[in-house]
Amino acid sequence: DIQMTQSPSSLSASVGDRVTITCRASQGISNYLAWFQQKPGKAPKSLIYDASSLQSGVPSKFSGSGSGTDFTLTISSLQPEDFATYYCQQYNSYPLTFGQGTKLEIK
Amino acid sequence: EVQLVESGGNLVQPGGSLRLSCAASGFTFSSSRMNWVRQAPGKGLEWVSYISGGSSTKYYADSVKGRFTISRDNAKNSLYLQMNSLRAEDTAIYYCTTEASWGQGTLVTVSS
Repeated sequence: DIQMTQSPSSLSASVGDRVTITCRASQGISNYLAWFQQKPGKAPKSLIYDASSLQSGVPSKFSGSGSGTDFTLTISSLQPEDFATYYCQQYNSYPLTFGQGTKLEIK
Repeated sequence: EVQLVESGGNLVQPGGSLRLSCAASGFTFSSSRMNWVRQAPGKGLEWVSYISGGSSTKYYADSVKGRFTISRDNAKNSLYLQMNSLRAEDTAIYYCTTEASWGQGTLVTVSS
């Protein structure tokens, strides 16, 4: 199974900041990586697929990059609604696997 | 608009069974690959099972293999998860997902 490791596990930032979350795969997954946002009590929401493609309706403040084993999610100009937990997921092969999540909190 | 609506979650005793359903609309269900993903209380996301559009290919997480069965009815735009021999560690919110959309989830609690 492919293991996905996110860092950091938690992150404190202020409104207006730019933050980057990292996701590392235990083996190469090409660009078969997605990012999800989850707010408390809600279902996850898809933000990015194929490592860098934005889902329809997702603001351009979210961006993804990477290929192979190392990936990043960058969120610019943080707003109160962006504080949530973020997960990466590989879909290169089954079983699909998720990172452990990064909780983004307001400083 | 894509809609995925799960149902069937409930409180069940260890060793019991439950069948989850997911009603899909707003997209071509019959050609869509579908997954079940679960989330235990306060924990991260765990993939459970996959089914191809025509049901020819199915995959399961090791943790549920032999106990859970995924199926679909394309005529009814519905996805199912039959869960047998339930354990306390199966307690979670179960989400029906496409590649881009998630339902709101249904809660399964396994407890005596």
